[in-house]
Amino acid sequence: DTGVSQDPRHKITKRGQNVTFRCDPISEHNRLYWYRQTLGQGPEFLTYFQNEAQLEKSRLLSDRFSAERPKGSFSTLEIQRTEQGDSAMYLCASSPGLKSSYNEQFFGPGTRLTVL
Amino acid sequence: DAKTTQPNSMESNEEEPVHLPCNHSTISGTDYIHWYRQLPSQGPEYVIHGLTSNVNNRMASLAIAEDRKSSTLILHRATLRDAAVYYCILRENYGGSQGNLIFGKGTKLSVKP
Repeated sequence: DTGVSQDPRHKITKRGQNVTFRCDPISEHNRLYWYRQTLGQGPEFLTYFQNEAQLEKSRLLSDRFSAERPKGSFSTLEIQRTEQGDSAMYLCASSPGLKSSYNEQFFGPGTRLTVL
Repeated sequence: DAKTTQPNSMESNEEEPVHLPCNHSTISGTDYIHWYRQLPSQGPEYVIHGLTSNVNNRMASLAIAEDRKSSTLILHRATLRDAAVYYCILRENYGGSQGNLIFGKGTKLSVKP
């Protein structure tokens, strides 16, 4: 297992289109996080899964955003009716969860979204 | 979560030690101090964490003030590969904690050859 992977690495879309990103966490990691990072800023938390349950959503996650983790393994993040303000790097991270006393988060390389 | 304050940027020479400061005057008794770094064009990566005692690992050392209101990440010999943004983060850390990370802007470390 080589770590957290994300697909695609880059996505360019036109305003109003829908986009979907995929994250594959490290095997057997129970927790999965989505973050968004804009230029010059640190990552901002979007949402978090414990297995397949989505336990918390940030206020940043508007109605146009939806995330799923159907079988408690990979996760998808969909943005509907994209806006130029959605342009950012979308980062996924996973951590062991309750099996570990320390939940270090392992980040993927991110998906860079550009909305034209 | 308690707030941290870090310098926006720092410079270092290659093979010299680097001390990256972090102030967290409102830290609570259950907050751990975490450091992550983000290399250019990559996601963040864990560096080190601690509660009260100084900590060492293969990447760095963490020196925590006695009153816990500040800490310093120490890179003993900076290399060009250490050029990154370093984030100091406070959060509770135990197995049951949800633990989403709250990042500030961090310190951008430049390393000169």
